Amino acid sequence: EVQLVESGGALVQPGGSLRLSCVVSGFAFSSNWMSWVRQAPGKGLEWVANIKEDGSDKNYVDSVRGRFTVSRDNAKNSLYMQMDNLRAEDTAVYYCVRDRTGTARLDYWGQGTLVTVSS
Amino acid sequence: DIVMTQTPLSLSVTPGQPASISCKSGQSLLHWDGKTYLYWYLQKPGQPPQLLIYEVSKRFSGVPDRFSGSGSGTDFTLKISRVEAEDVGVYYCMQSKEYPRTFGQGTKVEIK
Repeated sequence: EVQLVESGGALVQPGGSLRLSCVVSGFAFSSNWMSWVRQAPGKGLEWVANIKEDGSDKNYVDSVRGRFTVSRDNAKNSLYMQMDNLRAEDTAVYYCVRDRTGTARLDYWGQGTLVTVSS
Repeated sequence: DIVMTQTPLSLSVTPGQPASISCKSGQSLLHWDGKTYLYWYLQKPGQPPQLLIYEVSKRFSGVPDRFSGSGSGTDFTLKISRVEAEDVGVYYCMQSKEYPRTFGQGTKVEIK
């Protein structure tokens, strides 16, 4: 059974930092790209970033580039998102998603972790 | 960025009746590799999104055959042949032709 379990979401002040984690099981983590997708409360979906199987290539949406850093540890089947200089508009549920290599499809999603940026 | 526009934004359907959602992209989603990177997702209430259709018309594993996707270039359609109660939620189209991946605004489907 495929499982993606996010953690690390919290209430943080504007300008603060947070690190999200996602632990994966049920598929070959090291053989797949991985993405983060977020959803602001009551809003639609926004793709945030992804990372290649070996971590050598990363892509970001403009609104987070320079503030967020995606990384992974294949030995731990884990995906991370370091979020710095957080803004109110970063408030959202963050989903960890398998970004199936060779197909560009986001096919397995975690349950999400809530990040709230507020003073 | 490629803008994805869905219509309608909401839909009320009688069980057993068909439903159709349109998605238009700001530029062609046909990639030089010959594939068209258009996807459909359903987000049921309180759940993460789930993949329904990939590359315009291919049903993902376990997706009922009442769901079908069609289209080409910039115009795409998701059809539900006979809506069931479990199909309620918000449907999103998404493009993966280029970065950043972008989603449509979502179409909320409810049962009459």
